[in-house]
Amino acid sequence: DAKTTQPPSMDCAEGRAANLPCNHSTISGNEYVYWYRQIHSQGPQYIIHGLKNNETNEMASLIITEDRKSSTLILPHATLRDTAVYYCFVRVPNQAGTALIFGKGTTLSVSS
Amino acid sequence: DSGVTQTPKHLITATGQRVTLRCSPRSGDLSVYWYQQSLDQGLQFLIQYYNGEERAKGNILERFSAQQFPDLHSELNLSSLELGDSALYFCASSYVGGTEAFFGQGTRLTVV
Repeated sequence: DAKTTQPPSMDCAEGRAANLPCNHSTISGNEYVYWYRQIHSQGPQYIIHGLKNNETNEMASLIITEDRKSSTLILPHATLRDTAVYYCFVRVPNQAGTALIFGKGTTLSVSS
Repeated sequence: DSGVTQTPKHLITATGQRVTLRCSPRSGDLSVYWYQQSLDQGLQFLIQYYNGEERAKGNILERFSAQQFPDLHSELNLSSLELGDSALYFCASSYVGGTEAFFGQGTRLTVV
């Protein structure tokens, strides 16, 4: 599996966009980029995933560079409830599923 | 609510004892994953089962074992418990061909 690099922490003001970067320079052609988050001591929560096109859902947007070596998760209007550890990783989805290998992630602190 | 149920939510036991953690996956999900998260530590992948068979193994100690039953629920058995086994244990499930995994709220194990 390709490794990912994320900043250990970021701050964001409530109501502003939070842009969380992730580097995955050794990503393989069939690996997807996934984002999960974990709000303090709760079970991790799926946010979004993508292969090469930009993706958007009700939670966030995912921007993947054309060379796929990096991506950015965008929370358009961060709230206090978005304070969490955000994990980026790459993975090949298959029928049986592959284990999610979490790194250290980025601790996002949203303040009023 | 992710649809993944873990029981018990809290468990306190003494060193040397044996405990069993239970996970009921979402309806129809064939894959079950177990993770350990110690205080201020990241999520460590332990083991994965797919449709009753062991699929992948991570950093699981020999004192730990797991199984997945025909009704697809899974149990994680922890024996000869040590103080260092105190942690949150998460279970996740994913469906056939699905790309994301859904996590339960965890079992907090305290070994005294």
